[in-house]
Formats: sequence, structure tokens, C-alpha cells
Amino acid sequence: SAVISQKPSRDICQRGTSLTIQCQVDSQVTMMFWYRQQPGQSLTLIATANQGSEATYESGFVIDKFPISRPNLTFSTLTVSNLSPEDSSIYLCSVEPRRHTEAFFGQGTRLTVV
Amino acid sequence: QKEVEQNSGPLSVPEGAIASLNCTYSDRGSQSFFWYRQYSGKSPELIMSIYSNGDKEDGRFTAQLNKASQYVSLLIRDSQPSDSATYLCAVNQGNTGKLIFGQGTTLQVKP
Repeated sequence: SAVISQKPSRDICQRGTSLTIQCQVDSQVTMMFWYRQQPGQSLTLIATANQGSEATYESGFVIDKFPISRPNLTFSTLTVSNLSPEDSSIYLCSVEPRRHTEAFFGQGTRLTVV
Repeated sequence: QKEVEQNSGPLSVPEGAIASLNCTYSDRGSQSFFWYRQYSGKSPELIMSIYSNGDKEDGRFTAQLNKASQYVSLLIRDSQPSDSATYLCAVNQGNTGKLIFGQGTTLQVKP
């Protein structure tokens, strides 16, 4: 398994501002994943972050809105930009320590935009 | 057509009973399948993974996979009130590492 530290655990932000979420893993991993869970919904993949290359975004998600950094094999950040109330969700980072096997999640960041 | 489908429930079972959760998927190329448990306000917790056809047992949990029929199920024996949670079925999309989640089934175990 992997120990994933995600912060902040929650935040309340004003519309139009940005929030940066950090994800730290206790071991080196090739891929890190960022998911969104809207209220009452399941998880939707935002993007895949590979170290040393641009993140790969899923349909409906764009880099300008969700810029991602992956400076090394144990750390990634997701920024949610130009916040609107519709961005109120839980954001989760995930890692797959062994390729194509189990994925583990951080504690999540509960974002409320007011 | 949704890629991973689950009944949203709620599924209500009495304490001590067997809870049966089902999931179907559309991508025939998928090779990895997972069940996560999510308590309200918490992040998903992996409880079972299965990669081959048949059954896989771990304590009170049994995962069943049938690739020909494209379904995966989770049985929880001797259900406890602490098992009350949302159970998410996840499928590895084409072995890319990306997980596609079902909508989740809410399980309620009544004392």
C-alpha cells in the first residue's frame, strides 16, 4: 500500500479565487491521479500526473481550470482556478504503487466555494 | 451507456445476513476490478481487488468476477452495522491505471 497525505483537508474559498491542493506520497510512484467527487456523486477522474511530463486531462477538464504540477515522484499539486460554486466538491489524489493494481486515496479535500 | 453500473440502493439487510452488491462494466479489455468502501465524509478505502474469473475471499468479503458476462460482485457475510457505507465498484480502464467508478451502492445494515 501507500501512505498519502493530502492537504488542506477542507477549505472555504471566495468565488474567483484559486485553491491549491497538495498530495504527498511516502514512496516513489510513476503516476498520480486527481479525482473529483461532487456532492452525492461518484468519483470522476480529472487528470493523470506523470513526473517530468504534462498532465493528461480527461474530457471536460482543462489545464487552465485545473493546472497540475508533478515536480518529483512523491509529490503533486492540483490547483482549482477561478472558483465558482459549481466547483464545490471533494478532490482526491490517488496513487497506484504497483502498475495496474490497487489504487489508494488520500484523505480528500472538501472545497466549498461561497 | 454508463461504463460502470451499479444499483444506487439503498440496499438494506439485517445484521448477520449476507449483503450482495453487483456491478457491470462495458469495457471488455478491462483486467483489474476493485471494490472500495466509502463512509460518509471519508475517502474511498480499498477492500477487495480481483483480476481473474472466479471468486476471491478475504475474511467476510468475497469478490466474484465473470469477464464473459462483464460483471463483478461483492458478497459481505455476517453483515455488521459498521458495514453500512457506500460501496464503489471501480474498473481499470484498458489497463491505463485510470479507474472508472460506478455510482456506488449504499448499504444499510440494520441491528
